[in-house]
Amino acid sequence: AQTVTQSQPEMSVQEAETVTLSCTYDTSESDYYLFWYKQPPSRQMILVIRQEAYKQQNATENRFSVNFQKAAKSFSLKISDSQLGDAAMYFCAYPNSGGSNYKLTFGKGTLLTVNP
Amino acid sequence: KAGVTQTPRYLIKTRGQQVTLSCSPISGHRSVSWYQQTPGQGLQFLFEYFSETQRNKGNFPGRFSGRQFSNSRSEMNVSTLELGDSALYLCASSTGASGNTIYFGEGSWLTVV
Repeated sequence: AQTVTQSQPEMSVQEAETVTLSCTYDTSESDYYLFWYKQPPSRQMILVIRQEAYKQQNATENRFSVNFQKAAKSFSLKISDSQLGDAAMYFCAYPNSGGSNYKLTFGKGTLLTVNP
Repeated sequence: KAGVTQTPRYLIKTRGQQVTLSCSPISGHRSVSWYQQTPGQGLQFLFEYFSETQRNKGNFPGRFSGRQFSNSRSEMNVSTLELGDSALYLCASSTGASGNTIYFGEGSWLTVV
């Protein structure tokens, strides 16, 4: 069974600084997608970024970027120029079932605090 | 474009009762999935429907059931409620195609007393 591991239950960062959240996963598939979701206090899950495993290039969305290491099965999220609004729980997620995205396995999450 | 809509947002039920939660996906999305979120177990997949058919099911007892209607709206039902069913229930929708983004609703908070 696929598993997703987030080894950092909590992280903190100073406003305007950079922080990296870690995620590792286990899969026997070769073609798949990976996602990072953000869950602010409102509890709505918001997609931050996604990566397609067959692409060599790391995904980037504004201040958010990933470091995808396929061989190491590592998928870390880097947040640059951190803002107070970035404070949230962040979840790494892997879609099961042969690459189809209709069943996500989530990590336990990393609670990010942004200090002014 | 309206997002994923879940109703009710908050509800309190008594042990032994049953509850029905509703989810309206984004227009055009045919896949609806449900997740349970608790402090202890985190986010767990309940089931997923696509074009009125259940395609996948998580490891939950038979008290948890769902269905999807022809307009893609979905409901989940929990019968004989237990205290441990208290959780945030999240609905998500997508087109159902591989790799497409999954969008989540704001969730339904269920408290069982």
